[in-house]
Amino acid sequence: QSVLTQPPSVSEAPGQRVTISCSGSSSNIGKNVVNWYQQLPGKAPRLLIYYADLLPSGVSDRFSGSKSGTSASLAISGLQSEDEADYYCAAWDDSLNAWLFGGGTKLTVL
Amino acid sequence: QLLESGGGLVQPGGSLRLSCAASGFTFSSYAMSWVRQAPGKGLEWVSGISPSGGSTYYADSVKGRFSISRDNSKNTLYLQMNSLRAEDTAVYFCAKLPPEITVYFDYWGQGTLVTVSS
Repeated sequence: QSVLTQPPSVSEAPGQRVTISCSGSSSNIGKNVVNWYQQLPGKAPRLLIYYADLLPSGVSDRFSGSKSGTSASLAISGLQSEDEADYYCAAWDDSLNAWLFGGGTKLTVL
Repeated sequence: QLLESGGGLVQPGGSLRLSCAASGFTFSSYAMSWVRQAPGKGLEWVSGISPSGGSTYYADSVKGRFSISRDNSKNTLYLQMNSLRAEDTAVYFCAKLPPEITVYFDYWGQGTLVTVSS
């Protein structure tokens, strides 16, 4: 099964802003909700953004999400060292009747 | 809380059953899923099940070999894994969803490691 396309890695200095893209198709991102997950080293993933741009309780408002057509983006502002993690986008695919994850993006805070 | 168990070392072609004990929410009202992560790799969805257990979904990579089920009286999710292959080696996470299985994974367990090797 295909995956959603994310850049393998991004890096930026502390205090700056970074965006992570996620590209899909009409059967997944184009039709269904997009979610973002943060996975700290050695930990389980946690929900970061749902319904493309909503934050669960407890998630910093430095994180934001957006969606346009068959693509979505995660933005992190005011970067901090604790933001270093792997970030995954995910969406349900109506054609496959299956969940798809992006390949993951490793964020390095320089 | 979601607590996985049942992982371990198994030979290729063997079987294993994973369990996920849920607490702190009305288990029977929510869809559930298994997601795995091979060593050093990304997340891969494995299987999902509706709140009643009446609908099940599988990734192509495990279809016909894995079976998901739930016992709502015991607040427990299961994954029966048969004909295991080396490429099934991964940490298996149990994840909770809203009642609809197509929306998002809102809580995750800590995972259980499955190693398929001779």
